[in-house]
Amino acid sequence: KAGVTQTPRYLIKTRGQQVTLSCSPISGHRSVSWYQQTPGQGLQFLFEYFSETQRNKGNFPGRFSGRQFSNSRSEMNVSTLELGDSALYLCASTIFGGGDTGELFFGEGSRLTVL
Amino acid sequence: GNSVTQMEGPVTLSEEAFLTINCTYTATGYPSLFWYVQYPGEGLQLLLKATKADDKGSNKGFEATYRKETTSFHLEKGSVQVSDSAVYFCALRWNSGNTPLVFGKGTRLSVIA
Repeated sequence: KAGVTQTPRYLIKTRGQQVTLSCSPISGHRSVSWYQQTPGQGLQFLFEYFSETQRNKGNFPGRFSGRQFSNSRSEMNVSTLELGDSALYLCASTIFGGGDTGELFFGEGSRLTVL
Repeated sequence: GNSVTQMEGPVTLSEEAFLTINCTYTATGYPSLFWYVQYPGEGLQLLLKATKADDKGSNKGFEATYRKETTSFHLEKGSVQVSDSAVYFCALRWNSGNTPLVFGKGTRLSVIA
């Protein structure tokens, strides 16, 4: 069974640009969550999607957005990039989300560098 | 709000040493507790979990016991190996409702031969 796949793995952008990251969950998983990982703040929750609906949202500005498609694949977008957006963005999937065992299956992440 | 506090790293140990990574949480009610591990260049993976007070989670020689009275979930291993070098994250999640995992900041462990 294939794991969670994130693309691209690495990317470099400049301030003011925008970026789109993609996540393909494990087959059959309907919940996709996104986290931002930085050395100073650790793992911070961005948002969760379930059946194409945003179910939870973390405390990030509106520049961070996401969506989920009918095949459960998800994308997140960051507009007007800032230096502080440099981070590893992790996607995780699970079958149902909050009501299940709580185990998240993570991808390897997309490392974004903003210059 | 809900939060998880882990001991700060990095932690450096010799092979076969005893490991403890402290984790305490702040939450009302009774969340489920987790330890995740992130090996170099990889995403996080679940190491062990406990869903109620006094439960002990265990996996790959690691153990952690859910202590409600001290709101703690310390990770232990009796004899670490070089292959255990990784970043360890403590996390909690409510048992009801659709709530996200809340992670601690992580503790980097380096085991030297």
